[in-house]
Amino acid sequence: AQSVTQLDSQVPVFEEAPVELRCNYSSSVSVYLFWYVQYPNQGLQLLLKYLSGSTLVKGINGFEAEFNKSQTSFHLRKPSVHISDTAEYFCAVAYYGGSQGNLIFGKGTKLSVKP
Amino acid sequence: GAVVSQHPSWVICKSGTSVKIECRSLDFQATTMFWYRQFPKQSLMLMATSNEGSKATYEQGVEKDKFLINHASLTLSTLTVTSAHPEDSSFYICSAWQGQETQYFGPGTRLLVL
Repeated sequence: AQSVTQLDSQVPVFEEAPVELRCNYSSSVSVYLFWYVQYPNQGLQLLLKYLSGSTLVKGINGFEAEFNKSQTSFHLRKPSVHISDTAEYFCAVAYYGGSQGNLIFGKGTKLSVKP
Repeated sequence: GAVVSQHPSWVICKSGTSVKIECRSLDFQATTMFWYRQFPKQSLMLMATSNEGSKATYEQGVEKDKFLINHASLTLSTLTVTSAHPEDSSFYICSAWQGQETQYFGPGTRLLVL
């Protein structure tokens, strides 16, 4: 069965420090990869996505992610975080077959940015 | 572009009543809408997939008679929680899909059943 693993459930970090949120997926077929952010009591906002092409993807709010096919990873990075980046981050994989587009989510990583 | 709205944003109801949640794609037509449920501090769990004009496809373990889904048009899907009980309290999120790569999510509806 396909799965998405977010290795860290919580990541505390100080403001202006760099951060990496890890995501690995299981797949033997082509996939689309996404990172979503969820602020408290809100829905999901798309941060960035990898569909094809360049393996380094840049998203909103200064985040970027790198697709590594050999390691089946899609880690999210930001060189300098802000207090406002405190949120839950979800990695998701889409396996598109037929007419359905089912997303499989990781369990999420809670990023806490401390002053 | 690609805005999805949900209404209501939160609802409190008595046990035994039914609650309807609307999901609308505001600036695009959605081939498919998905309904997710999220428990506190957990990830999103897909409940059902809804295609316009056809019956929804439910994930294993989701009661189709309890969670009624209607996808009447390409911009509107509704989820009705029938005879709600306290264990149905959760955060319900919909997403809309145009048939391309990205799902666009609504802001969610928080349901509290007393």
